[in-house]
Amino acid sequence: GAVVSQHPSWVICKSGTSVKIECRSLDFQATTMFWYRQFPKQSLMLMATSNEGSKATYEQGVEKDKFLINHASLTLSTLTVTSAHPEDSSFYICSARTGGVQPQHFGDGTRLSIL
Amino acid sequence: RKEVEQDPGPFNVPEGATVAFNCTYSNSASQSFFWYRQDCRKEPKLLMSVYSSGNEDGRFTAQLNRASQYISLLIRDSKLSDSATYLCVVNVGGGANNLFFGTGTRLTVIP
Repeated sequence: GAVVSQHPSWVICKSGTSVKIECRSLDFQATTMFWYRQFPKQSLMLMATSNEGSKATYEQGVEKDKFLINHASLTLSTLTVTSAHPEDSSFYICSARTGGVQPQHFGDGTRLSIL
Repeated sequence: RKEVEQDPGPFNVPEGATVAFNCTYSNSASQSFFWYRQDCRKEPKLLMSVYSSGNEDGRFTAQLNRASQYISLLIRDSKLSDSATYLCVVNVGGGANNLFFGTGTRLTVIP
């Protein structure tokens, strides 16, 4: 149980393109999902907390107009990297959990490469 | 001070060895604790939750010491497939944005 699916797994696109990443909880409802970014050989960095039916909560230093988050249903959250640039190239991972103190379950991650 | 601190390693051990990782956390009100495993260029996967009474899953044993605010992971009879980065994760409670990750400890098991 507790499967989280993330799509796409790999994106390569030109600078200036907007990229949408989907995160789905397949067998449970997630009122809260999380978006992380991980640069090579570094730890996961929380970007934002996505709340179903309300605005996302962004971490300090993360531009909300750059990284648009939509959590329209209990099983789907999307992250859109708008007008992506090479410095946005990273590994983006979503996660979800079934309850407050339960472990988080991660999606497969999306490797984003901006040329 | 970081919320969660881990020795980054790397730990290079021979097959069959026993290896232990420790992780310390700063918030005494932390509520739940986990060990995740992350393979290179992959997402973290839950290895095990850590309970106050300690818990064991096959070759893996996790311990929690609330008084000293640390958790540990012991791997017995290391396999080549255990090579990965092990992340210590602490949930401090009190809301959705409450999970803190260690930087991970890299383990390489050598044939």
